[in-house]
Amino acid sequence: DADVTQTPRNRITKTGKRIMLECSQTKGHDRMYWYRQDPGLGLRLIYYSFDVKDINKGEISDGYSVSRQAQAKFSLSLESAIPNQTALYFCATSDIDRNQPQHFGDGTRLSIL
Amino acid sequence: GENVEQHPSTLSVQEGDSAVIKCTYSDSASNYFPWYKQELGKRPQLIIDIRSNVGEKKDQRIAVTLNKTAKHFSLHITETQPEDSAVYFCAANLPKGGTYKYIFGTGTRLKVLA
Repeated sequence: DADVTQTPRNRITKTGKRIMLECSQTKGHDRMYWYRQDPGLGLRLIYYSFDVKDINKGEISDGYSVSRQAQAKFSLSLESAIPNQTALYFCATSDIDRNQPQHFGDGTRLSIL
Repeated sequence: GENVEQHPSTLSVQEGDSAVIKCTYSDSASNYFPWYKQELGKRPQLIIDIRSNVGEKKDQRIAVTLNKTAKHFSLHITETQPEDSAVYFCAANLPKGGTYKYIFGTGTRLKVLA
């Protein structure tokens, strides 16, 4: 879905480094989400935001922080990366209407050595 | 609790056969149920969804059925093809604090054997 863009697409870094993953969208959606996916597993919610002034923790927020810089931008930070944060990270958006699907970006593959 | 149970976790079928994946949700207030297909290393993509005011929806070889009384919904793929091989996720919207969030199932890895 080109309307939801994640950067970078791949990143390899070392333990202890600070990392920022960025997500931007042109869908005009108010709601944005960050998910983590480990190999062979499902999607786990890290943080979500319903508008610029709203940030909510998901089920696995420890070790992560987010910033909603604008309606169209939602970034995820790992302040001090650790190897078990190696995973595939997805950003998603959705409309305010609860009966509409989420739209996912292409993902960021993050490897922490 | 807040959860969506999905079964089976893996499913192998012969090409041309049908595949059925089932999900059960916990909150009777949920009223929207999307299904996503995720190919290896790619993003989840919506393939079909259903709202609680209908019991079944079809789109070519794919159909979804919903039983609100039993709180379960199922994905049906007929005449399976090798390109149907992927991981499939169900989801349900969950009302929470005047708004809602999505709860995902744990996924089903479907293999279509040629």
